[in-house]
Amino acid sequence: QVQLQESGPGLVKPSQTLSLTCTVSGGSISSGSYYWSWIRQPAGKGLEWIGRVYASGNTNYNPSLKSRVTISVDTSQNQFSLNLSSVTAADTAVYYCARGSIPGGGLDYWGQGTLVTVSS
Amino acid sequence: DIQMTQSPSTLSASVGDRVTITCRASQSISSWLAWYQQKPGKAPKLLIYKASSLESGVPSRFSGSGSGTEFTLTISSLQPDDSATYYCQQYDNYSFGQGTRLEIK
Repeated sequence: QVQLQESGPGLVKPSQTLSLTCTVSGGSISSGSYYWSWIRQPAGKGLEWIGRVYASGNTNYNPSLKSRVTISVDTSQNQFSLNLSSVTAADTAVYYCARGSIPGGGLDYWGQGTLVTVSS
Repeated sequence: DIQMTQSPSTLSASVGDRVTITCRASQSISSWLAWYQQKPGKAPKLLIYKASSLESGVPSRFSGSGSGTEFTLTISSLQPDDSATYYCQQYDNYSFGQGTRLEIK
C-alpha cells in the first residue's frame, strides 16, 4: 500500500521560505508511471494545485506561483520536496502531497496534509 | 488558463436521491478530468478519472460523464456517507473547480 507523509515546519515567518518534504513508502518514486504533486488548501477554501515533479526531475508549476516555487525529487531517499519563497500570510494553508498516474489517472494517493502557518 | 466552474456551490438532498454535480471548462479539455470527494479534516479521495473511469474501490453509485467542456458527476442513490465536498480537476493546468458542498437532509 502506497503511503505519502508530509513533513516540515508548521510555522514560517513572512518573507522566508517554506520548505516541505514528502516521503513515499510502499512504492518507488522512480517509477515512470507516476508524477508527484503538491496541492494546498487555505482554511475553509478550495484546493489549489501548486506543481508536480517527475522522477526525471522535470517539473510543471501553477503559473500564479511559478516565480516562487521549486519542486525537486530525491530518488535515493524516495522523497520529493517543495520550496515556496517570499511567503506571506496568504500562503497559510494545509499542504498536501499526492501521487498522480500517467496518463490522466488523477491523484490517487494523498498524504494526510500538514498545516503551515505564516506568521511572525 | 483554463477555468473550471462547478455548480451548484451547495446542494442538499435526501438519502436515496439521484444527485448531479456539473463542472464546466472554459475551453475543451477532451476527457482529461477527475472528480474528488473531500470530508472535513481529510485529504481528498479520487472518485473518477478520465471523465468517466471509476477509481478502484469506489462504490458503483458514483459515475462520471462528459467530454469537451461539460462534465457531470452523478450519485445514483445518495447515502449518508456521501456528505462531503466534491471537486473537479482538469489536466491541462491542473486547476480545480471551486467545490460543491453536498449535505444530506
